Amino acid sequence: AQSVAQPEDQVNVAEGNPLTVKCTYSVSGNPYLFWYVQYPNRGLQFLLKYITGDNLVKGSYGFEAEFNKSQTSFHLKKPSALVSDSALYFCAVITYGGFNKFYFGSGTKLNVKP
Amino acid sequence: EPEVTQTPSHQVTQMGQEVILRCVPISNHLYFYWYRQILGQKVEFLVSFYNNEISEKSEIFDDQFSVERPDGSNFTLKIRSTKLEDSAMYFCASSDGVPNTGELFFGEGSRLTVL
Repeated sequence: AQSVAQPEDQVNVAEGNPLTVKCTYSVSGNPYLFWYVQYPNRGLQFLLKYITGDNLVKGSYGFEAEFNKSQTSFHLKKPSALVSDSALYFCAVITYGGFNKFYFGSGTKLNVKP
Repeated sequence: EPEVTQTPSHQVTQMGQEVILRCVPISNHLYFYWYRQILGQKVEFLVSFYNNEISEKSEIFDDQFSVERPDGSNFTLKIRSTKLEDSAMYFCASSDGVPNTGELFFGEGSRLTVL
């Protein structure tokens, strides 16, 4: 069965510091991995994805994520956090041929303090 | 920029009542989805729809749920007889096909409160 784990319910970081939001996955085939962000009372917005190719993926708002097959991880990173990055972040996975169903992690609340 | 729109943004209903949540997906998209998010919990897949039929549904999507694409633009989720545990944020999403672009485009959600 496919699953995604986000081990941290909350991540606190000071503005200007680097941030990491962790995600690990478990799938039976090749994974396609995504990060979404959810601001309060809003829908989920796509940040970035890994399908194939370079393990380091760059996305919106200066975020990037690194696909690590051996560790089955896809951690989200940003070199310098902004207060406006404070939101709920969801990791998601699908597998090739499994286009119908995204499996989402439980979400990580990112708090960036000034 | 094209977007997925959902109505209503918030609906309050009595237990046992029927509810219809409406969505207008992005116009050239082919795949449509409903997800839900119970307050404070993860986003859960309900159903996917392609070529005018359900392509996959989760165990949550039981007989009280149905989906329909009544015309070329709307995609609806009907809950026949609502229960308290149906209270959640319901997200519609669409995509133009995966995995080439892959990402789902989500609406802003319809919050359903069942009393």
